[in-house]
Amino acid sequence: KAGVTQTPRYLIKTRGQQVTLSCSPISGHRSVSWYQQTPGQGLQFLFEYFSETQRNKGNFPGRFSGRQFSNSRSEMNVSTLELGDSALYLCASGIGTVTNEKLFFGSGTQLSVL
Amino acid sequence: AQSVTQLDSQVPVFEEAPVELRCNYSSSVSVYLFWYVQYPNQGLQLLLKYLSGSTLVKGINGFEAEFNKSQTSFHLRKPSVHISDTAEYFCAVTSAGTGNQFYFGTGTSLTVIP
Repeated sequence: KAGVTQTPRYLIKTRGQQVTLSCSPISGHRSVSWYQQTPGQGLQFLFEYFSETQRNKGNFPGRFSGRQFSNSRSEMNVSTLELGDSALYLCASGIGTVTNEKLFFGSGTQLSVL
Repeated sequence: AQSVTQLDSQVPVFEEAPVELRCNYSSSVSVYLFWYVQYPNQGLQLLLKYLSGSTLVKGINGFEAEFNKSQTSFHLRKPSVHISDTAEYFCAVTSAGTGNQFYFGTGTSLTVIP
């Protein structure tokens, strides 16, 4: 079974630009969550999608948005990039029907904003 | 609201020595607790989780953790570490009815010294 696939692996952007990150979950998984990982801050929850609907949302500004397609693939978009958006963005997939389930993480997209 | 505090950002330990990584949580509801490990340039992998029942939970690679409700702690232990245990360790909490919204600590970097 293929794991969680995130593309691209690395991104370099400049302030003010926008970026789209992609995540393909494990086959059969309907929940996709996004996390921002920075040194010293750990992982911070961005949002979760389940069956094409945003089910949960963290405390991030509206510049961060996402969506999920009918095949469960998800995209995350960040508009008007700021230097502080530089981070590793991790995607996690799960079945989505139980709260205490194990999440499967991708290797992440490393975003650098110059 | 829920939160997780990992008390040690870095833990150096000699090979074959025991190790304890500390985690405290805060929540007003019943929680489910998890430990994940992140090896360099990889996503997170589940080590173990506490859902209910026995407070001592055994996980993969010889790790175990003990849930202590009165002290709101979920410390991770291993009696004898190996070089291959060098990684970042994250404690996480979630609760029923929150979908896959997890709250992670800031991580503990475990370095095993030969």
